[in-house]
Amino acid sequence: DIQMTQSPSTLSASVGDRVTITCRASQSIRSWLAWYQQKPGKAPKILIYKASSLESGVPSRFSGSGSGTEFTLTISSLQPDDFATYYCQQYSSYFLTFGQGTRLEIK
Amino acid sequence: EVRLVESGGGLVQPGGSLRLSCAASGFTFSSYWMSWVRQAPGKGLEWVANIRQDGSEKYYVDSVKGRFTLSRDNTKNSLYLQMNSLRAEDTAVYYCARTSYYDSGTDYWGQGTLVTVSS
Repeated sequence: DIQMTQSPSTLSASVGDRVTITCRASQSIRSWLAWYQQKPGKAPKILIYKASSLESGVPSRFSGSGSGTEFTLTISSLQPDDFATYYCQQYSSYFLTFGQGTRLEIK
Repeated sequence: EVRLVESGGGLVQPGGSLRLSCAASGFTFSSYWMSWVRQAPGKGLEWVANIRQDGSEKYYVDSVKGRFTLSRDNTKNSLYLQMNSLRAEDTAVYYCARTSYYDSGTDYWGQGTLVTVSS
């Protein structure tokens, strides 16, 4: 199975900051990577798919990059609504796998 | 509007069984892979199982193989997860989700249904 490793597990930042979350795959997944945002008690919401494609309706301050085994999610200027947990997911294999999550908290 | 609505969760004793259902609407159900993803209390997301559009291929995470069975009824736009021999570690919120391989990933999720395995 393909393992996904996210870092950091927790990130403290302030409104207006630029933040980056990294996700590494144990083998090449080409660009078959998605990023999700999850708030407490809610289902995950897709932000980015195919590594860098912005889902419709998602603010442009979110961006994704990378291919192969290294990927990043960047939020260019944090807004209060962005404090949540973020997950990466590979869908190169029928056996989907997620990263362990990054909790983004207010500094 | 795409909607996925899960049902069937609840409290069950260890060793017991439960059948989850997911009612889909707002898209052509028979054209998509469907998945179950779970989240144990306070933990991350874990993929559980997938089924191809016509039901001909199914994949499971190792921890549920032989205990869980995934099925779908394209005439009813419904997805099912039969869970047998339940264990405490199966306690989680179970999400039904639509997955588009080679496209937009797991792009729509239901609101989830809670399964609690406890005596």
